[in-house]
Amino acid sequence: GEDVEQSLFLSVREGDSSVINCTYTDSSSTYLYWYKQEPGAGLQLLTYIFSNMDMKQDQRLTVLLNKKDKHLSLRIADTQTGDSAIYFCAETGPGGGYNKLIFGAGTRLAVHP
Amino acid sequence: GAVVSQHPSRVICKSGTSVKIECRSLDFQATTMFWYRQFPKKSLMLMATSNEGSKATYEQGVEKDKFLINHASLTLSTLTVTSAHPEDSSFYICSAREAAGGITDTQYFGPGTRLTVL
Repeated sequence: GEDVEQSLFLSVREGDSSVINCTYTDSSSTYLYWYKQEPGAGLQLLTYIFSNMDMKQDQRLTVLLNKKDKHLSLRIADTQTGDSAIYFCAETGPGGGYNKLIFGAGTRLAVHP
Repeated sequence: GAVVSQHPSRVICKSGTSVKIECRSLDFQATTMFWYRQFPKKSLMLMATSNEGSKATYEQGVEKDKFLINHASLTLSTLTVTSAHPEDSSFYICSAREAAGGITDTQYFGPGTRLTVL
């Protein structure tokens, strides 16, 4: 079945770049997503990338996709304390159905001064 | 942007009682809503897909008689946890999809409901 894996914790200094990594198993995944969850809140869609793309940039966020290795990363430039949250990688596509988002366990990003 | 609300945000109940959680799309019509369950420090697990006017589709291992879902209108879906037990304690999150059938249609998530069963 489909599986999405992420490292559980990342700590960075304010102003540095953060890189959150994700691997997935479903090679038929069509879309891959990054969601942000702040404490006690729901999920906020940050960005998504179509599987035929290698890179997508949106202001401070850069998504890199290595489809051969089934590896997705999210880079946050100039990380701020407000970026502290849990970041979830998710995939959807023919394997799981376009309805179904398969989430990783989430990476907790801690930003310190 | 599209906003999804959930009510209540937090509920504490006694074992054996039933609890209803509402999920509303505030500024768009959602033909499809999704219910997720999130365990502490774990990922979100899809419980069921709720389509307006039809029966919900449950994921494998989710008891449909335990978790009753009703999607009576294009802006409201409800999840009722029947005869709740402590193991049902969790964070329940709904999401709503704005348009029907599109591949790129985004799921907008509610803020979640923390259920604690004593």
